[in-house]
Amino acid sequence: AQSVTQLDSQVPVFEEAPVELRCNYSSSVSVYLFWYVQYPNQGLQLLLKYLSGSTLVESINGFEAEFNKSQTSFHLRKPSVHISDTAEYFCAVTASGTYKYIFGTGTRLKVLA
Amino acid sequence: DTEVTQTPKHLVMGMTNKKSLKCEQHMGHRAMYWYKQKAKKPPELMFVYSYEKLSINESVPSRFSPECPNSSLLNLHLHALQPEDSALYLCASSQDRGRSTDTQYFGPGTRLTVL
Repeated sequence: AQSVTQLDSQVPVFEEAPVELRCNYSSSVSVYLFWYVQYPNQGLQLLLKYLSGSTLVESINGFEAEFNKSQTSFHLRKPSVHISDTAEYFCAVTASGTYKYIFGTGTRLKVLA
Repeated sequence: DTEVTQTPKHLVMGMTNKKSLKCEQHMGHRAMYWYKQKAKKPPELMFVYSYEKLSINESVPSRFSPECPNSSLLNLHLHALQPEDSALYLCASSQDRGRSTDTQYFGPGTRLTVL
């Protein structure tokens, strides 16, 4: 079985500062990893995903995440955040042979002016 | 077009009412999902439809009844709900079920309040 841990429930950061949102997973088989963002009162939007190949994946709005197999991590980073990045961020994992997303508990990113 | 639409956006209902939530996608996806999300929690899977057939029911109470009239539409019929069923109900779709690499595309959700 797979599991996902997002240790930080809230991350406050000042505008234009860098941020890292942590995601660790456990699995005995190959995994596929996703980051979703949820703005207030909205559904989830895919930010980026790792399926295979290059371990560094990027989104169109400046976020990136690196798949680290030895550390079983898929941390999300942005070098300079904006107020508009304030949202809930969910890490999710699936594994070979399964379809079901296992979501982490979410990290609320609050960008301060 | 990577849009999943859901109606209504908000719904308030009494415990004796019958209501329905609707979800639509036009991406040609053959797998559709219902999730329930409580405040400050991740989404919890309720049902999965694959090729218009119910393939997964995550032990959801019978007061929730899903229906997939065609490949683009997914309904969730509600009857005799409890106040603890108040939540954001999210619909999602993916190209196919059973492929762990498939991305799920989520709708904006229906905010349900049960009085």
